[in-house]
Amino acid sequence: GQNIDQPTEMTATEGAIVQINCTYQTSGFNGLFWYQQHAGEAPTFLSYNVLDGLEEKGRFSSFLSRSKGYSYLLLKELQMKDSASYLCAVRDEGSARQLTFGSGTQLTVLP
Amino acid sequence: GAVVSQHPSRVICKSGTSVKIECRSLDFQATTMFWYRQFPKQSLMLMATSNEGSKATYEQGVEKDKFLINHASLTLSTLTVTSAHPEDSSFYICSARVQGPTDTQYFGPGTRLTVL
Repeated sequence: GQNIDQPTEMTATEGAIVQINCTYQTSGFNGLFWYQQHAGEAPTFLSYNVLDGLEEKGRFSSFLSRSKGYSYLLLKELQMKDSASYLCAVRDEGSARQLTFGSGTQLTVLP
Repeated sequence: GAVVSQHPSRVICKSGTSVKIECRSLDFQATTMFWYRQFPKQSLMLMATSNEGSKATYEQGVEKDKFLINHASLTLSTLTVTSAHPEDSSFYICSARVQGPTDTQYFGPGTRLTVL
């Protein structure tokens, strides 16, 4: 099975940098995803890591260490619109490529 | 990115009725779609994996006779909640798998079901 942990809530200030951590213990691993979800809406894809290291995409970066079962999402130059829930998801090795989601981290950006 | 639509976006029904939710991939073909349920302030829970032309695979604890899934074409999967009860009220989200280098799931906008 999959066990995925991430903090429940975080608060940061507009313009700042925030790091959201995710740790996982899985029976199989075929990649880690980060999604952003605003209240009442569906998740939107942010990033994907399958190899160790940092993936950068604009203001968002994601890091993976497979040996440590650890990932983080880094958000730079925070904007008010970044207030949302951030979901860490691990993909399994099965043919269907299912995702198991963490409980999500609710980020609040303050002015 | 790939676009997935879902219809209806919101539905209110009486207890005992059935509700059908459609999930469509608009600009790509999806051999695999997924159905999730999300309760308030909780994460997404996978209900079933829908494969085009074959029976869906349900997660443990999900009643296949209550949540009927049909994936009749490469662009459409439907979820029918049969004999709905108030405890079935939830946010139902579908996703479609886009096969390729990242093999990513793209999500529909979700359906808010309220059973009175």
